[in-house]
Amino acid sequence: GEDVEQSLFLSVREGDSSVINCTYTDSSSTYLYWYKQEPGAGLQLLTYIFSNMDMKQDQRLTVLLNKKDKHLSLRIADTQTGDSAIYFCAENTGGFKTIFGAGTRLFVKA
Amino acid sequence: DGGITQSPKYLFRKEGQNVTLSCEQNLNHDAMYWYRQDPGQGLRLIYYSQIVNDFQKGDIAEGYSVSREKKESFPLTVTSAQKNPTAFYLCASSMISGSSYNEQFFGPGTRLTVL
Repeated sequence: GEDVEQSLFLSVREGDSSVINCTYTDSSSTYLYWYKQEPGAGLQLLTYIFSNMDMKQDQRLTVLLNKKDKHLSLRIADTQTGDSAIYFCAENTGGFKTIFGAGTRLFVKA
Repeated sequence: DGGITQSPKYLFRKEGQNVTLSCEQNLNHDAMYWYRQDPGQGLRLIYYSQIVNDFQKGDIAEGYSVSREKKESFPLTVTSAQKNPTAFYLCASSMISGSSYNEQFFGPGTRLTVL
């Protein structure tokens, strides 16, 4: 069945790069996403990648997709304390339903 | 401003009572969703609706009910049959398949606590 897995915690120092990893099981996924959740708030789309792409860069964010291994990663360059949040990996096979991972809580130490 | 609103932000109820969570969107989206979020478990889909007067069960629908009488509104009722209702509830909406990348837009959430 469909499943998205990611580690639950990541801790980095301010100024370092953060890399959050995710694996998914549905090879027919059309879109893969990274959402960000601030404390006590809803999710907000950070970035997405189409399944025929290997990489997407958007300012400090770099998304890498390895379709063979069904592995998705999000790299945040020059991590700031304001990046502390929960990051959700998600997949969509082209329909209305999106499958979310459990979320990775990123701690940024000053 | 377009967006999704959920009310109230915090809700307390006594065991055995039904409670209804509100969700309204002015994005003109066809699809709406309800998720439940528990620590370390991510988002689990409760119900979704693709069109007015139609909705389907998600992965954890037992103890919940919904209605979709208007395109912009998708209220969720947590019934007394829900065994462990204390959680953070998120409402979302999206355009129907055929949109560019199927982004879901989320409301700010309602934290329900059963006393």
